[in-house]
Order: sequence, then structure tokens, then C-alpha cells
Amino acid sequence: KNEVEQSPQNLTAQEGEFITINCSYSVGISALHWLQQHPGGGIVSLFMLSSGKKKHGRLIATINIQEKHSSLHITASHPRDSAVYICAAHPMYSGGGADGLTFGKGTHLIIQP
Amino acid sequence: KAGVTQTPRYLIKTRGQQVTLSCSPISGHRSVSWYQQTPGQGLQFLFEYFSETQRNKGNFPGRFSGRQFSNSRSEMNVSTLELGDSALYLCASSLVMSRWDSPLHFGNGTRLTVT
Repeated sequence: KNEVEQSPQNLTAQEGEFITINCSYSVGISALHWLQQHPGGGIVSLFMLSSGKKKHGRLIATINIQEKHSSLHITASHPRDSAVYICAAHPMYSGGGADGLTFGKGTHLIIQP
Repeated sequence: KAGVTQTPRYLIKTRGQQVTLSCSPISGHRSVSWYQQTPGQGLQFLFEYFSETQRNKGNFPGRFSGRQFSNSRSEMNVSTLELGDSALYLCASSLVMSRWDSPLHFGNGTRLTVT
């Protein structure tokens, strides 16, 4: 069974700071998702990656398959980045019918002006 | 293009009742997956449907079931509701079965309260 751990659980930072959220998982995966959830519940998929690094605006996601670790970075953070960030690991397809995502508990990020 | 639509947004039910939630995927998307989110357990995978067939199922009791119609719309049903079923239920759609090359698009969820 895949275990997905996120750190930190809570993070408060000042506007403009560089933010790093970490995610580690215990078994081989085919892809890892980074999700953003604002109050009210809606979830937005930020990144889906299986290797290397992806960048979108001020957000950067990296993954190290050998170390079973991924990071989400936010550069020049802004109060509108305040949200819960969740990583989710997609297992290697086994054909066993239980290949759904396993989620981390989320990181509550607050960016203060 | 319209996003993923879930109905209803809010629902209050009594223990022992059953409930049906609906999810309309983005047009052209054939895969729909369902998730339960609670403060204690976080997000958990319920099941995934593709081409009207359940392809994957999470670790939930048989009281939780679902189906997908030929137009890709999906419903999930929870029978004999328990207090612990109170949660935000989210669905997501993707073009093909949820894989490494198929981004997920989430709906806004249905918040179910069981009293």
C-alpha cells in the first residue's frame, strides 16, 4: 500500500517569500499530482509529473523518482496563493482494479501581506 | 467549455437513509472518478468509471456504489447512511482513464451532512 507524506502540515509566510512544500511516497508510482484547494472545496490540478521538473508561472514542481520525493515551490509568494496544497500519487498500473490516487494530508499555506 | 458539474452542492440526510450524487464530466471526457474528503482522513479515492464500467475501487464498504451512463455522466450512491459518511464528495473527469498523461478536472463537490 502506498503511503504519501507531506510536510509541513502548516506553513505561514510573508508575501514575497520562497515557499517549498515536500511530498514523499513509499512505493513506485507512474505519476504524481499537485493539487490546490481553496476554502469552499474546489480543487485545481496544478501539475502532473512523472519525471524531472515542470514550471507554470511562479509555481515549480520537481520529482525525483529514485528518492520517491517531490517538491512544489512557489516563488514571490502572494496572499492569493493561500490555500491547501495536496500531493497525490498514482500507482504503477497493476491491472488489479485498485489503482486510484493516494493523497497526502495537505499543507495549509497562509501568505500574509 | 463547461467544467465538471456536481449536483446537488449541499445535502442533509438522516442516518439510515440513502443518497444519490450526480457528476457531469467535461464534454468529451470519458473517465469519471469519485473521492471522499473528511477532516480526519483527508482525500480518499472511492472509484473510477470508464466507458460505463467500474475500473478501480478504493477501500470503502459495499454501501458505496456508483455507475456511469452512456453519455459519461456518473452517479454515486450511498445506502444506509452513517454519521461518518458526512463529507465533501468530489468527482473528477479526465479524457481517458486516470493515468500519468491524463490531467484531472475536479468539480466543486457535494457537501453531505448526515444527522
